[in-house]
Amino acid sequence: GENVEQHPSTLSVQEGDSAVIKCTYSDSASNYFPWYKQELGKRPQLIIDIRSNVGEKKDQRIAVTLNKTAKHFSLHITETQPEDSAVYFCAASYGSGGSNYKLTFGKGTLLTVNP
Amino acid sequence: GAVVSQHPSRVICKSGTSVKIECRSLDFQATTMFWYRQFPKQSLMLMATSNEGSKATYEQGVEKDKFLINHASLTLSTLTVTSAHPEDSSFYICSASDGEAFFGQGTRLTVV
Repeated sequence: GENVEQHPSTLSVQEGDSAVIKCTYSDSASNYFPWYKQELGKRPQLIIDIRSNVGEKKDQRIAVTLNKTAKHFSLHITETQPEDSAVYFCAASYGSGGSNYKLTFGKGTLLTVNP
Repeated sequence: GAVVSQHPSRVICKSGTSVKIECRSLDFQATTMFWYRQFPKQSLMLMATSNEGSKATYEQGVEKDKFLINHASLTLSTLTVTSAHPEDSSFYICSASDGEAFFGQGTRLTVV
């Protein structure tokens, strides 16, 4: 099955700095890579995703890059703000249709943005 | 975006009793839903895949007789924790996808 490794497990940055979280996956058939932000006691919220037919995607301060050859993908947050503090999870999946996204999650990164 | 609703959000039960958790897709049909368990400060671990109209597929190490899954309609999957024990206390969360995966609110189960 799929195995997703995520690093670092904790990350502390100063407000305004950038944060980078990296993930690797094992199954070359995986074609969908979402990133989730989870605040304490709440459901994970999708913040950005990328599919295997593109190498980079950006949404305001958040960007994700994908290297299919190396089987790794990264989350980049620029101009970090205290409200970005949360646990971030990467995931990998093979999606063959609209209803089949069996996600394998990384272990998560606790991001702390210090004012 | 699509909405997945999960109930209850919090439940406390006595050891030995059973607890049922519901997961509904409110504005789309989901032939497949997924159940995860999350222990404090840990990642989401897939427990099982719920398949509408057929048996659920359980991940290795998950007891199918303890965690009963029923997916009787295209919008509802239920997870029943049978004969719950304190070690079953955890955050249980479901997901369904409509092009992307959406999560329910999660259920905090405490077994006393």
